[in-house]
Amino acid sequence: DQQVKQNSPSLSVQEGRISILNCDYTNSMFDYFLWYKKYPAEGPTFLISISSIKDKNEDGRFTVFLNKSAKHLSLHIVPSQPGDSAVYFCAARSFSGTYKYIFGTGTRLKVLA
Amino acid sequence: DSGVTQTPKHLITATGQRVTLRCSPRSGDLSVYWYQQSLDQGLQFLIQYYNGEERAKGNILERFSAQQFPDLHSELNLSSLELGDSALYFCASSVVGNSGSTDTQYFGPGTRLTVL
Repeated sequence: DQQVKQNSPSLSVQEGRISILNCDYTNSMFDYFLWYKKYPAEGPTFLISISSIKDKNEDGRFTVFLNKSAKHLSLHIVPSQPGDSAVYFCAARSFSGTYKYIFGTGTRLKVLA
Repeated sequence: DSGVTQTPKHLITATGQRVTLRCSPRSGDLSVYWYQQSLDQGLQFLIQYYNGEERAKGNILERFSAQQFPDLHSELNLSSLELGDSALYFCASSVVGNSGSTDTQYFGPGTRLTVL
């Protein structure tokens, strides 16, 4: 049972345009959401996060939007740069005695120069 | 460089064998997490240790076990290996690991295990 889903395995975007990566979840008890970026041969690196009590968080070119009623999370990258080409994972945190993080399967973003 | 180190980078072994993966967390981090990433899958949480004690368990098989030592490094032991255990195994560390605040996990580069 995949509680966090990234339905688009890949996405190609032209340099300078907006990249929108999507993530859907099923558990309404998730309290915290994160995006990680992963380059080949490296581990994932934290990018941006959002608490479930907010609907938007911005950090430079990266903005995460949370729509709790739709159980939907999105990451916007504006403007996209070739260096943004990577696999992006969304993750959600649940608490049942301890905190656990559940990751999606990732979306491979390719930014074309 | 996240500051988390994992050894070895690659491991090739045969079915039925046992291997040990090693992780050294960032300096000052007390929590260590282990994740498995199989082909086309997301990161599956296996287990978390905090300051030497098991803190949380995910989808970890009984054939797998882990421990965190007094110097805070951690080892993941995989035994009776099967073909399906071939995957990337990531270790992550964080300062605390059970906080209501934003406790970022820092990931190591992973160990790629191939079971033949």
